[in-house]
Amino acid sequence: NAGVMQNPRHLVRRRGQEARLRCSPVKGHSHVYWYRQLPEEGLKFMVYLQKENIIDESGMPKERFSAEFPKEGPSILRIQQVVRGDSAAYFCASSPGVGETQYFGPGTRLLVL
Amino acid sequence: GQNIDQPTEMTATEGAIVQINCTYQTSGFNGLFWYQQHAGEAPTFLSYNVLDGLEEKGRFSSFLSRSKGYSYLLLKELQMKDSASYLCAVISNTGKLIFGQGTTLQVKP
Repeated sequence: NAGVMQNPRHLVRRRGQEARLRCSPVKGHSHVYWYRQLPEEGLKFMVYLQKENIIDESGMPKERFSAEFPKEGPSILRIQQVVRGDSAAYFCASSPGVGETQYFGPGTRLLVL
Repeated sequence: GQNIDQPTEMTATEGAIVQINCTYQTSGFNGLFWYQQHAGEAPTFLSYNVLDGLEEKGRFSSFLSRSKGYSYLLLKELQMKDSASYLCAVISNTGKLIFGQGTTLQVKP
């Protein structure tokens, strides 16, 4: 069984560009979570989505960040007009149901020049 | 508020036992997870506690006391490959994980 897949694994962007991060959950999992890990810091929750719905976006910055999990296809985390402070590792996790164990993908390491 | 505390770093010797503590104060609690994260890699699931007591899984055990807001991860017969960060996380009422800063464990020969 394939685990959580994320792509790209590494992404380099210049300030002002857009970054699109993709996450395919474990087959059969309908709950997706995005977390950010800044250098030398812990993982911080960003957003929780269930197919076509945003359940909790309390960790998302108010501007430039958006997330979706369409009926078909992967979940997308989109960062518009990136700034250097957006440089971090972005991890996606999925679970079969709410409150159940979350399994993490390998992460996307975003570097903003 | 949400607060999860763990020691930043620990060092132990190969073959020994180490206990990593975690205390938490969160507005909602639906269980506590421990994850292992090697540098540059994804967190991998180790254990889950929702009721008080000890859960044992091979060389790893995890304990929870909900009344004290306290958990620990116990690693026995340490191996060099156990050098990693260990992340304590509380799952909230809405399903999100709230992580501590992580404890970096260095195992020495």
